[in-house]
Amino acid sequence: NAGVTQTPKFQVLKTGQSMTLQCAQDMNHEYMSWYRQDPGMGLRLIHYSVGAGITDQGEVPNGYNVSRSTTEDFPLRLLSAAPSQTSVYFCASSTLRTSGRGAAYEQYFGPGTRLTVT
Amino acid sequence: SQQGEEDPQALSIQEGENATMNCSYKTSINNLQWYRQNSGRGLVHLILIRSNEREKHSGRLRVTLDTSKKSSSLLITASRAADTASYFCATDARDYGQNFVFGPGTRLSVLP
Repeated sequence: NAGVTQTPKFQVLKTGQSMTLQCAQDMNHEYMSWYRQDPGMGLRLIHYSVGAGITDQGEVPNGYNVSRSTTEDFPLRLLSAAPSQTSVYFCASSTLRTSGRGAAYEQYFGPGTRLTVT
Repeated sequence: SQQGEEDPQALSIQEGENATMNCSYKTSINNLQWYRQNSGRGLVHLILIRSNEREKHSGRLRVTLDTSKKSSSLLITASRAADTASYFCATDARDYGQNFVFGPGTRLSVLP
């Protein structure tokens, strides 16, 4: 399995441009998420999806759109890039694991996309 | 916010020493997870501890959880240069389904 893959690895945009960050997973996980990571901070949730056709907003959704037409893919669209969106973007997929001690979600991360908006 | 906070922000030790990182959080949780991030890479899941567990081990890692104090610690024993990374704790994000709330992380440097 390739796990969670993201493209591109690096991207430079000018203010006002739009683009789509791609994310795919081959683990048949029902849940997928997008986070951004800024220097000195933990990850902040942008949008997430609990299954094909279902998306919801996270902590910092403004300026981003998502769609989930298939289980495998969860693209993130920047509508009109702004310098404040300069960040590293991580896609993750997760699934619920159960054991004798109970159930918990396990989240798997892609390698990230480093985006700079000038 | 129920964001976890790691302490210290940065830690520098010699190879072979033990490294201890702490995490505090604000609201009740179902589970807490620790992740490692090497520079320029994605996050790698290390260990999960459930709210009804007090301690878990995985190789050289030992995680403790004190729900009365809303805190957790990650101990790496006999550290190696390859352990140099940022370490994050994450708690379940009750407002966002199956997702997690991450702290700002502890940057660990293990010097040879």
